[in-house]
Amino acid sequence: QSALTQPASVSGSPGQSITISCTGTSSDVGGYNFVSWYQQYPGKAPKVMIYDVSERPSGVSIRFSGSKSGNTASLTISGLQAEDEADYYCNSYTSSRTYVFGTGTKVTVL
Amino acid sequence: QVQLVESGGGVVQPGESLRLSCTASGFTFSSYNIHWVRQAPGKGLEWVAIIRYDGTTKYYAESVKGRFIISRDNSKNTVHLQMNSLRAEDTAVYSCANELEQAFYFDWWGQGTLVTVSS
Repeated sequence: QSALTQPASVSGSPGQSITISCTGTSSDVGGYNFVSWYQQYPGKAPKVMIYDVSERPSGVSIRFSGSKSGNTASLTISGLQAEDEADYYCNSYTSSRTYVFGTGTKVTVL
Repeated sequence: QVQLVESGGGVVQPGESLRLSCTASGFTFSSYNIHWVRQAPGKGLEWVAIIRYDGTTKYYAESVKGRFIISRDNSKNTVHLQMNSLRAEDTAVYSCANELEQAFYFDWWGQGTLVTVSS
């Protein structure tokens, strides 16, 4: 199972919106609405930001939103803030009943 | 509060074995699937294995299938990962994470335990 493809880095200025893509196949992202997104600060455990493509857990800022079209899922961060600077990973359930992560994206707030 | 604590990491030589443990508290352990996820130094997350809440079903990443075995003891709120025939590429921080049955995402994570495979 190959890792889902994410851009290595995305940057934006405070207040701007950025979007991170996550491209898979019909056997994972395209086949199921079980895409989740995780935020990870250096040396810290990941935190779920989005699940089921677009659902936000309690306590996660409404500035984070998710969507999916075909084999590509996306995470959008609106009103970018300094605290959003972190690594972001997508994850999908697969047809093999396993899970696969994306390659990871480093978000930089300029 | 929810806690997942990993233990058992260390330095081993290629071909050797190691057994990791994940001890949970703060939630109804027997209602949650448990996953192992690893992260090599400076690299991204890699899903390793899952064991369902009742221990009946287990799945593994291709990279560890046939070498790693996941098990759980619901009476002790513990999940184990038996790692055999270890390779240099297995070097990583191994973390456990919980998933409410049929939730399909990782809710709470432990801080991880470092496994180093080196001669």
